[in-house]
Formats: sequence, structure tokens, C-alpha cells
Amino acid sequence: GNSVTQMEGPVTLSEEAFLTINCTYTATGYPSLFWYVQYPGEGLQLLLKATKADDKGSNKGFEATYRKETTSFHLEKGSVQVSDSAVYFCALSVRKTSYDKVIFGPGTSLSVIP
Amino acid sequence: DVKVTQSSRYLVKRTGEKVFLECVQDMDHENMFWYRQDPGLGLRLIYFSYDVKMKEKGDIPEGYSVSREKKERFSLILESASTNQTSMYLCASSPRDRNYYGYTFGSGTRLTVV
Repeated sequence: GNSVTQMEGPVTLSEEAFLTINCTYTATGYPSLFWYVQYPGEGLQLLLKATKADDKGSNKGFEATYRKETTSFHLEKGSVQVSDSAVYFCALSVRKTSYDKVIFGPGTSLSVIP
Repeated sequence: DVKVTQSSRYLVKRTGEKVFLECVQDMDHENMFWYRQDPGLGLRLIYFSYDVKMKEKGDIPEGYSVSREKKERFSLILESASTNQTSMYLCASSPRDRNYYGYTFGSGTRLTVV
């Protein structure tokens, strides 16, 4: 079946540190891949996406590359800020007959300290 | 700015009450979803709808029902609220034929059943 695995959290980093959150997936067909971010007390927001192999999604300094050979979509940022503290969800989307089924990973909590 | 609006950010209800959670989107999306989010359990799909008056059970539909009388509105109903339904409820929407689009989420409703 389809599934998403993320690295366990919580992750604590100092401001300006390099961030990597690992994500691997299992899927049939050709899924689209996403990273969502959830700030405290809020809903999820789409952070970035990639729709085919070797695509790179980017937004707000975050990047992730769709690696079909390793079935991975790792999230990276070169220099994190306190305002990046949030929970990050990796997700994939597979096409069904009438809708797109999105499967979310368990989320990785990130805390950035000054 | 396009959005998904959930009618309440916080709700407190008594055991046995009938509870309505409302969600409205202004993006003309065909698909709408209700999730609940609990610590350690991630996001779990309760119900979804891919058209007006259509509904499909998700992974945890027990104790819930839904209504979609208009395209922009998707209501989640707790027929007789119980304490184990205390949770964060998230509504989301997406267009039908673009699985690369991802979901747009509301800000969530934190429901406490006492």
C-alpha cells in the first residue's frame, strides 16, 4: 500500500543551523509529493510540492527534491530561524477515480532556539 | 486570498450533545475532507466528499456523519458527543482533477467534550 515515513522528532536546532528532515515513501504509480507546515494552534499550510521525478520544490528558503530512485523527498533549509518552529508533514497524493487521496506522514516537530 | 473557513476555533460541548462543525471554502473546489488530529496519531480521515450530496467514509467514520448540500459547505456532525471525540478537527478542500495541487486547510476547530 501507500505510506509515508518521516524521521522522528522533536528536532531542536540553534538559529542559523542547517535543517534536514528525512521523508521516504511507498506508493504505486506516480504520486505527487508535498511538505506541509503547521504552526502552533493553526491548520496545515502547503509549504512546497513536486509532481514528478527530479522536480525540486522550493518556498521560503525550504527545498525538497523528488527522488524516485530512493523514494525520498527530504526537506532542507540552509539557515533556520526561530519563526520556522512548527510541525512539518511529508505527504503524497495518488489519483483515485473521483478524488486525490493524500497520505500524511506522522509529522516532525521542529524547535529553533535563539 | 482563497481560503477554507471553519466556523469556530474553540468549542466546548457536553457529553451527549449533537455537535455541528462547519466548513466553507471559496475556491469552487469539488473535494472536501474532514480530519481529526491527535497527539501521536497524526491526521486521520473521517469523511470526505467529492461532489454535492456525495460522501464517502474515511478511516474513522464511527460516531460521525457529514452533510454537503452546497458545493462550498461541508459539515461534520457528531450525533452524540463523547469525551473520546475531544480533538482538533481540520477541514480541507482540493480541486478534483489536479492531484498536484495539494489540499488547502482551514485553521482548525479544537473541540473539547466534557
